[in-house]
Amino acid sequence: RKEVEQDPGPFNVPEGATVAFNCTYSNSASQSFFWYRQDCRKEPKLLMSVYSSGNEDGRFTAQLNRASQYISLLIRDSKLSDSATYLCVVRLNDMRFGAGTRLTVKP
Amino acid sequence: DVKVTQSSRYLVKRTGEKVFLECVQDMDHENMFWYRQDPGLGLRLIYFSYDVKMKEKGDIPEGYSVSREKKERFSLILESASTNQTSMYLCASSPYQGNQPQHFGDGTRLSIL
Repeated sequence: RKEVEQDPGPFNVPEGATVAFNCTYSNSASQSFFWYRQDCRKEPKLLMSVYSSGNEDGRFTAQLNRASQYISLLIRDSKLSDSATYLCVVRLNDMRFGAGTRLTVKP
Repeated sequence: DVKVTQSSRYLVKRTGEKVFLECVQDMDHENMFWYRQDPGLGLRLIYFSYDVKMKEKGDIPEGYSVSREKKERFSLILESASTNQTSMYLCASSPYQGNQPQHFGDGTRLSIL
């Protein structure tokens, strides 16, 4: 079993749609959680950290369920510029990356 | 803003060559990392370092070595390049504190012919 698992997609959605990505992790001792965004042929960039109580940043909402070892990212009112690969990242002693979920937002 | 700089965006080398990939960060971060990223496999950790002259193996260290002589610089070395080392290589750094995210360089797309 992979340490961090994500649905690879691709997710193809129209502009304005709401889309949700899920991620599960295997090590229950993991301490920190993040979502990164990676554009084609670019480096990953931090989108947001994920806190136990859940957190929101504009159109983006992240949730953490420690009991189920599950992280989610919700994007509301999708924009064309949201098209990218979204990486779920879990940290214990070092960072463990999911393989990413690819999102394409279409006009 | 954190700046992580990798020496080359694109690099083409031949099988058997010794290849050096350089990474410099300007935020006085203790931790530095080298990953490779391949389609469908995500980022895989090659080596990391928590301090000067300190290094730890990641998940796929075979065929690689690293050097951290100064805090700001972390070098990845392919001792004898092989075609299966063709990949995107990403360097990252982070502060020592455990809950801090990593910041990545632009990446080096390395092709071994």
